[in-house]
This record gives sequence, C-alpha cells and structure tokens, in this order.
Amino acid sequence: NAGVTQTPKFRILKIGQSMTLQCTQDMNHNYMYWYRQDPGMGLKLIYYSVGAGITDKGEVPNGYNVSRSTTEDFPLRLELAAPSQTSVYFCASKGQGVNQPQHFGDGTRLSIL
Amino acid sequence: GQQVMQIPQYQHVQEGEDFTTYCNSSTTLSNIQWYKQRPGGHPVFLIQLVKSGEVKKQKRLTFQFGEAKKNSSLHITATQTTDVGTYFCAGPRNAGNMLTFGGGTRLMVKP
Repeated sequence: NAGVTQTPKFRILKIGQSMTLQCTQDMNHNYMYWYRQDPGMGLKLIYYSVGAGITDKGEVPNGYNVSRSTTEDFPLRLELAAPSQTSVYFCASKGQGVNQPQHFGDGTRLSIL
Repeated sequence: GQQVMQIPQYQHVQEGEDFTTYCNSSTTLSNIQWYKQRPGGHPVFLIQLVKSGEVKKQKRLTFQFGEAKKNSSLHITATQTTDVGTYFCAGPRNAGNMLTFGGGTRLMVKP
C-alpha cells in the first residue's frame, strides 16, 4: 500500500497564480485533512472531510478551497497565491473510530514569490 | 476552544543524556497521541494513551498520561542521534474526528 500520496513535492508560484495540491489515499479512509506547517511551527488545520461529498473548514481556511468527490482524493486549491501561503502542506487520512491515528503524506513544499 | 501546549519548544542534549517533553491540555482528553517528525519529513504516529495514569514503553521511549487526563509526557532515555526530530502531542476534538496538535518540541542531539 502506498498510504497517502501527495503531489507535487515542491512548487514555486508567483503571486496571484493558482494551483491544486493533490492528495490521494489507498486505505479506504473516510476522514481526510489538510494542514499547513510554517517553518519551526506546529500543524494548523486548513480543511477536513469526513467522507465523499462532505467538507468543512478548519482553523485557517482563508485563501483555500477543497473538494471530495471520491473517498480516495482530497485536492486543495489555492486561488490567488500570496506570500503568506508559503509553507509545507501535509495531507492526512484516518480510519473510522475515535482512537485511530492520522497517516500523513510526505508533504508539498510551496514557495510563493 | 481546546488548546494543547508543549514545553520546551527546543531542547539540545548531548548524546546519551535523557530528554523529556511535556504536554498540557486546557480540557480533559479521551486519549492522547504522540507523533514524531524527522527533519524534512512528515509526522509519524508513535503511540496512543487512553487510560488515566497509563504508562507505555517503546524501547527507550516512555509515555505517560496524567491521572486527570489533561497532561502527558514523553521521556527518552540515553538519547541517540536517531532520536533527532520534533515530537508532537495531539488531543482529539469534535468527537475524535479531529486532532489539536501541540506546538511540538524540537530535539537536537549532539554526537
């Protein structure tokens, strides 16, 4: 099993450009999450999904959008990229049940210049 | 809302010394999870504690959950360079469907 796969691994964007960060998981997990991690800091939740067709905002959703058309995929869209969105983005998934751990992808390192 | 705090933020140790990081929640937790993130890597689940006063060991790592289920600690005995990384604790919220992560403790080990 590949687990949680994120693409691309690195990307440089110009201010005002848009892009989609891809995330797919092959564990049939219902719960999926997008976090951002700024240098030397902890994880901040951007958006999450409890199943296909259902998404909700986390702590820092402004400037981002998500969709969940399938169980496997949970893309994160950046519209009008800004320097403040320079960060490492992690996608994670979790199986059913309160005590299940989250499984993280390798991350996408994004720079906005 | 729920807050999870970790101290210290950074810790430098000489290889062979012990290390402890502490985690405190503003609310009582049903369980607590610990993750490790190697430099340049992604968080990896280490362990979960569920019971009040629970102690679990993984080789040189000892995890404790407080009696009141509001705090936890991770102790590493005789650190090695392979222990380098950031250790995060996380508490569940929203019926366990989401986690609140602490800010992490970054451990650096001098060989």
